[in-house]
Order: sequence, then structure tokens, then C-alpha cells
Amino acid sequence: NAGVTQTPKFQVLKTGQSMTLQCAQDMNHEYMSWYRQDPGMGLRLIHYSVGAGITDQGEVPNGYNVSRSTTEDFPLRLLSAAPSQTSVYFCASSVLIGVNEQFFGPGTRLTVL
Amino acid sequence: ILNVEQSPQSLHVQEGDSTNFTCSFPSSNFYALHWYRWETAKSPEALFVMTLNGDEKKKGRISATLNTKEGYSYLYIKGSQPEDSATYLCAFIGGVNSGGSNYKLTFGKGTLLTVNP
Repeated sequence: NAGVTQTPKFQVLKTGQSMTLQCAQDMNHEYMSWYRQDPGMGLRLIHYSVGAGITDQGEVPNGYNVSRSTTEDFPLRLLSAAPSQTSVYFCASSVLIGVNEQFFGPGTRLTVL
Repeated sequence: ILNVEQSPQSLHVQEGDSTNFTCSFPSSNFYALHWYRWETAKSPEALFVMTLNGDEKKKGRISATLNTKEGYSYLYIKGSQPEDSATYLCAFIGGVNSGGSNYKLTFGKGTLLTVNP
């Protein structure tokens, strides 16, 4: 099992550009989520999904879109990048949220100039 | 927005010392409490998932307790080693409803533990 994979590992964007951060898992997990990690702020939930075709907003969803067309993939789209979106992004998955641990991907470090 | 507090923010101990830190969370509508260990330049890894009041979990030298009525959990490390140096995160999830709007894990900001040899 590869577990949770994320691409790219690093990315630099200019303000206004759009891009998609990829996340995939091969553990047949129903629950997937995206977090951003900023200094002094801990991990904050951006969006999550409880299964294919179902997504919902987390704590900081503005400026991001997600979709879940398959169980395996949960891409995060930045519509028009802003410097405030400079962060480290983590994708995570679990069997069912709550009583099961989350498995985290290696992270994507994004810089928006 | 749920309030999950961890204390202290950071902690320096000597090798061999035992230590503990606290996670505070809302005492109403509890569903589960997670603990994660996060080493620098790596991803968070799960230590414990706790669901019942009075739960005690143990993994090697690390253990955790849970009090859902008063809204706190303690993480203990016995005989700290330099390899225990990491940020320890707790995360709270409230009641899960069938509408799917409460499937959210809220993280504290973590306790950064440094163990000096």
C-alpha cells in the first residue's frame, strides 16, 4: 500500500494563478480531508468528504474547491491564488471519521508570490 | 468554531524525565478524541483514538487518559528519550449526525516537546 500520496511536494505560484493539489489513497477509505498548516495556527480543516460524490466545508474553505468523483482521489483546487494561501497542505484519510485514526499524506508546501 | 486548547505550548525536558501535557475540549456533545505525534519534516501519525469517558490507552512509554465529563485528556510520556521530541497534537470531534455536517476533526495547536540528551 502506498497509503496517502500527495503531489506536488512543492509549488510556487503567482497571485491569481490557479492550480490543483492532488491527493490519492489506496486504502479504500471513505473519509478524506484537506488541512492547511500555518505557524502558530495548528492544522485547520479546509474541506472534507465522507464518500464519493459527497463533500462539505471545513473551518477555512474560502478560495478552495474540492470534488470527490472516486473513493481514491480528493483533489483540492485553488481558484485564484493569493499570498494568504501560502501554507503547507496536508491530505488525510480514514475508514470512518471519529473512531478511526486519520492517515496523513506527506504534505505540499505552497508559496504564492 | 470549537475550542480545543493544548498546554503547555512547548516543553523542554531532560532525557529520562517523565512528562505530561493537557488537551481541553468542549465537554458537551463528545464523540472522540485523537492524539497525534508530529515529527519535524514528517506527517502527523496517530497515537490514540479515545471514545469513552475514563478511557486509558498505552503504547510503549506513552499513555493517555480521557475525561469527557470535564473536557480534558492527558498525554503522559514516561522516561522521555530524545526520539520523543516532536509536536503532540490532540483533535476533537463532536457528535456525528446523519446529515454529515459534523464530520469535522478540530485540532489543538499542539505541544512541542524537546528532550535534551
